[in-house]
Amino acid sequence: DTGVSQDPRHKITKRGQNVTFRCDPISEHNRLYWYRQTLGQGPEFLTYFQNEAQLEKSRLLSDRFSAERPKGSFSTLEIQRTEQGDSAMYLCASSTAGQGSGELFFGEGSRLTVL
Amino acid sequence: GQNIDQPTEMTATEGAIVQINCTYQTSGFNGLFWYQQHAGEAPTFLSYNVLDGLEEKGRFSSFLSRSKGYSYLLLKELQMKDSASYLCAVPLSGNTPLVFGKGTRLSVIA
Repeated sequence: DTGVSQDPRHKITKRGQNVTFRCDPISEHNRLYWYRQTLGQGPEFLTYFQNEAQLEKSRLLSDRFSAERPKGSFSTLEIQRTEQGDSAMYLCASSTAGQGSGELFFGEGSRLTVL
Repeated sequence: GQNIDQPTEMTATEGAIVQINCTYQTSGFNGLFWYQQHAGEAPTFLSYNVLDGLEEKGRFSSFLSRSKGYSYLLLKELQMKDSASYLCAVPLSGNTPLVFGKGTRLSVIA
């Protein structure tokens, strides 16, 4: 396994358009997380899944943001009606549940630019 | 909720030692993590502390005091490649997910 992969790596879109990001976690990891990171800031937690169940979504930034993990493997993060303030790096991470240290393995991220 | 505080920037000289501090407030403590993030790259795991004391791992060590809500990351024999952001993180609840501080950007100069 080559680690967590994200697609696309870069996305430029116009304000008002919808965008979708995909994350493929490490295959044996049952937990998957989405974070957002802006320049000079740490990653900001958005939501996470254990298998196909979304366990925490109260930190999604608005109702324009939604995430799915339909079969407990890959996940998608969708942003509807994008705004310039949505421009950021969207990071995906995975881990195993119940692991003592709870270490997260991050993907390289999907950079969104909203014009 | 979680409140994590760490310095924004630090500069240190190649070969020296630097200590990056982190203070935190949590509703229930379940360990503290340090991650390293080079510019334009993903964060990578450095250390995990759940008990008080110092954990040493090569040139990097991490210290935790639960009673003081305080941790530090100690980097010895600094190298230019150590120039990066260092992120302190604590779990939101249980073991995961992690809430990160804003990060400390370390610049190592010759």
